[in-house]
This record gives sequence, C-alpha cells and structure tokens, in this order.
Amino acid sequence: GESVGLHLPTLSVQEGDNSIINCAYSNSASDYFIWYKQESGKGPQFIIDIRSNMDKRQGQRVTVLLNKTVKHLSLQIAATQPGDSAVYFCAENSGGGADGLTFGKGTHLIIQP
Amino acid sequence: DTGVSQDPRHKITKRGQNVTFRCDPISEHNRLYWYRQTLGQGPEFLTYFQNEAQLEKSRLLSDRFSAERPKGSFSTLEIQRTEQGDSAMYLCASSFSSLYEQYFGPGTRLTVT
Repeated sequence: GESVGLHLPTLSVQEGDNSIINCAYSNSASDYFIWYKQESGKGPQFIIDIRSNMDKRQGQRVTVLLNKTVKHLSLQIAATQPGDSAVYFCAENSGGGADGLTFGKGTHLIIQP
Repeated sequence: DTGVSQDPRHKITKRGQNVTFRCDPISEHNRLYWYRQTLGQGPEFLTYFQNEAQLEKSRLLSDRFSAERPKGSFSTLEIQRTEQGDSAMYLCASSFSSLYEQYFGPGTRLTVT
C-alpha cells in the first residue's frame, strides 16, 4: 500500500554536528518527495524536495538523497543549530489521482548544547 | 504576510455543533489542499481543489466533512455534527500546480468537548 515511514521517532545530536534523518517509502510509483520541518504549534515548513529522476539535491545546509532501489530517502542537515530542533516529516506523491501528499509519522530532532 | 493564512487559529466547540474553517492560499497558487493532523502523527490528506474545481474528495473522513472553493481563491472546510474524534489540527496548503511544492498555513486547532 501507499505509506511513508521513518526509522527513528527521536534523534538527538550535538550542536554543530551533522544530522541524518531517514525515511522509507513503500509506493514504488512515487515520483516526488518532500521534507518538511514542523515546530510546535505551527504548520509544516517546506525544506527541500526531490523528483524521482534525481538521486541527490542540495539546499542551504541541507541535502536530500533518494535511493529508488531500496525506496529510501534521507535528509542531511549540516552543522546542526538549536533552531533546527523540530519534527521532520518526509512526504511522497505518486502524481496520479489524489495528488495529496502522503506523510510519515515524523522524527523529532533534538539538539544537545 | 504573503503566506497561507487560516482562520480561526483555535476553535472549541461542543459535540454536535457545526464548525467552519477558512483558508486563504498564496495569491497566485491555483491548487489548495486540506489535511488533518492528530497528535504525534503526520498530516493526513483530505481533499484538494484546482481553482474552483474539487478534484479529489474520496479521502474526506465522512459525509459530515465538506469543502468549498467557490471563486477559486479562499476555501472553507465544514464539519457538521462534530464528534470528539474530530479534535485535531486542520491544515491548509497551496501550490502553484501539482508540479510544485505545497506551502502550509499555521492550521486551525479544533477541540470538541
């Protein structure tokens, strides 16, 4: 079925270290993937997206990697800062029919001083 | 502020009452989406519009839920005869088209007592 999941519910990292948040998806027809950041009491904030014809995309301090062979997505955050503390969701879209995003449960990133 | 806005931000209602939420998308965006998010979960897709046309509504949770976008600009989500299980955050998102990222509003938190 269509589902997107995350491997870890909580990830704790030291300030200044790099963070890697992982995501597994099951719908092989998915062709668009997005990472969102959600702070408490706020709506999800777009971070970066990637289409299935790519395997890597870089933004400011963030990199998304897509491995279609094993249906795995990851978000790398360089030099993690206190403001990066939030819940991170990956989401996918198969492009057909509903066109709504399918979200996983999220990973809570905690930054240790 | 040119982002997605939602009103009200919080709504407390008694079981059995009807509620209506409003979403104003980013002005040049022709697609508008509604999601529901319960505590500890990722957003769950409900329905979406392209301009004034509702292109997907099979994901609405029951026939008590309905949405409109009469002039292709703002949208409303109505829940009739609310139940305690309807308590959640209701999120609106908009995008320029299906090929572009969805931007979320701050959400309306509904509490049904």
